[in-house]
Amino acid sequence: DIQMTQSPSTLSASVGDRVTITCRASQSISSWLAWYQQKPGKAPKVLIYKASSLGSGVPSRFSGSGSGTEFTLTISSLQPDDFATYYCQQHNSYQITFGQGTRLEIK
Amino acid sequence: EVQLLESGGGLVQPGGSLRLSCAASGFTFSSYGMSWVRQAPGKGLEWVSAISGSGVNTYYADSVKGRFTISRDSSKNTLYLQMNSLRAEDTAVYYCAKGGDSSSPQVFGAWGQGALVTVSS
Repeated sequence: DIQMTQSPSTLSASVGDRVTITCRASQSISSWLAWYQQKPGKAPKVLIYKASSLGSGVPSRFSGSGSGTEFTLTISSLQPDDFATYYCQQHNSYQITFGQGTRLEIK
Repeated sequence: EVQLLESGGGLVQPGGSLRLSCAASGFTFSSYGMSWVRQAPGKGLEWVSAISGSGVNTYYADSVKGRFTISRDSSKNTLYLQMNSLRAEDTAVYYCAKGGDSSSPQVFGAWGQGALVTVSS
């Protein structure tokens, strides 16, 4: 199976900051990568798919980039609603795997 | 509006069985692959199983292969997960999730609210 590794595991930031989360795949997945946001007690919500395509209704401050084995999720200017946990997911095949998550907390 | 509503969760003893259901509405059910994704308490997301829109193709994580069976009934717009030989490590919130279109079938654009399964004696 393809292993997905996110860094950092926890990120402390302030409203207005620009933040970047990294996701690495154990083998090339081309651009088959999605990013999800999850808030406590809620189901995840897709933010980005195919590495850089913005999900429906997702604010433009979210962006994704990368290909092959290294990917990033960037939030250009943090808003209070963005403090949550973020997961990457490879959608290269039906042996789907997620990263371990990055918790974004208020500094 | 897409809606997914899970049911069937609960407390079960180790070695026991449970069947989860996910009632879908707001989209053409038979046109989309569906998956189950679980989340153990305080842990990350783990994909469990998927089924194609036609129901012909099924896929499982190694951790549940041979114990869980995914199925769907398009006449009832319902997805199922039959879980047998349950273990303590299967304790989790189980989400059903709708796959994307043909270009990204493994992208989950809609999720249910989750059903808690607790395996304990």
